[in-house]
Amino acid sequence: DAGITQSPRHKVTETGTPVTLRCHQTENHRYMYWYRQDPGHGLRLIHYSYGVKDTDKGEVSDGYSVSRSKTEDFLLTLESATSSQTSVYFCAISEGQGAYGYTFGSGTRLTVV
Amino acid sequence: AQSVTQLDSQVPVFEEAPVELRCNYSSSVSVYLFWYVQYPNQGLQLLLKYLSGSTLVKSINGFEAEFNKSQTSFHLRKPSVHISDTAEYFCAVSDYNKAAGNKLTFGGGTRVLVKP
Repeated sequence: DAGITQSPRHKVTETGTPVTLRCHQTENHRYMYWYRQDPGHGLRLIHYSYGVKDTDKGEVSDGYSVSRSKTEDFLLTLESATSSQTSVYFCAISEGQGAYGYTFGSGTRLTVV
Repeated sequence: AQSVTQLDSQVPVFEEAPVELRCNYSSSVSVYLFWYVQYPNQGLQLLLKYLSGSTLVKSINGFEAEFNKSQTSFHLRKPSVHISDTAEYFCAVSDYNKAAGNKLTFGGGTRVLVKP
């Protein structure tokens, strides 16, 4: 989607290795989110950020950490990848509070073998 | 915590027939409601949203959704579907938090397959 880029688009990694996914935005939006998408579960929030160096946990944060050192970048790290973390990961950005929807990235398909 | 239930995981429908996708949410307070669409191998795109005012909201491509506060529902409808409407549809409700922005809680998704 215009203004938000996720990298890599696809990744295969081995169990136990650390993995970092990157979300980059050019919209200067304050809020950024990481979700994972799994069949039957919809999208579940992992972590979110409401400003540089301001982050908080979502509903499925175990095994994940995030960092936001610049407005435009939000990194998601799997500290030691497990097979249960095989999923499609989406980053989203939001301009403001309440009535604003999200703009989503195209996703990263991660496979942990 | 809020929850969103989409009652149908899959909905097969013939081209030019109507379709309804059901969504119920758990919040008892004022909410903002959204429908997103995901085409194969793509991210989610906002289809329509209810913020306030008229309970019937419409999208540019013929979808409409009606907010029913008493039934805590936000069902999505289209009177005549096209092959290009084949996609997965997600209902979402905001968790308005002044400090943290509008965290959205999503339903499990409904996969619509339009058959010729």
